[in-house]
Amino acid sequence: AQKVTQAQTEISVVEKEDVTLDCVYETRDTTYYLFWYKQPPSGELVFLIRRNSFDEQNEISGRYSWNFQKSTSSFNFTITASQVVDSAVYFCALSSMDSNYQLIWGAGTKLIIKP
Amino acid sequence: DTGVSQNPRHKITKRGQNVTFRCDPISEHNRLYWYRQTLGQGPEFLTYFQNEAQLEKSRLLSDRFSAERPKGSFSTLEIQRTEQGDSAMYLCASSFFSGIRSGANVLTFGAGSRLTVL
Repeated sequence: AQKVTQAQTEISVVEKEDVTLDCVYETRDTTYYLFWYKQPPSGELVFLIRRNSFDEQNEISGRYSWNFQKSTSSFNFTITASQVVDSAVYFCALSSMDSNYQLIWGAGTKLIIKP
Repeated sequence: DTGVSQNPRHKITKRGQNVTFRCDPISEHNRLYWYRQTLGQGPEFLTYFQNEAQLEKSRLLSDRFSAERPKGSFSTLEIQRTEQGDSAMYLCASSFFSGIRSGANVLTFGAGSRLTVL
């Protein structure tokens, strides 16, 4: 069975703090893909990153970084120097041949950045 | 292309009425997906199309739900005899699928259609 767990329901930090959103996944497939999407209050899901299971290099994009660790089945997302505009719900998702490449979503983490 | 467009953005209806949502995907995309999202939850997959073919519909929530994509371009999602439990955000997404070896697609989502059933 495939599953994505985002244990943090809600996180609240003060602007400029660093914050890490956790994502733990389960799959029996050896080839799979992991995603992060952002859903701001406007409602539209915005793609942030896709990572395949063979690429364990960490990725950095501006203030965003992702830490992929197969040993712990985790794909965590860190925002450095958070800003109020980062306030949103963030979803982690998993896709593999086992699910016919349909996305398996976590429940999301609501991130609140206070000024 | 301005992205995935969904209409209406918000629909309020009375229980028992039929509703239809429309999705216009990115024109270059051959796959179109429908999801449902309730408050505090991740998107729940309903169905998807590749061009005009509906490749998966077993996850539609009941036989009151149906989707079409007649010409492989826009799609409609219809809910017949709405119930209060149908109140949710209905999301449409599209992607370009170039074959199984390309792996998982990146989906581009629309802003959603929020349904309120009174």
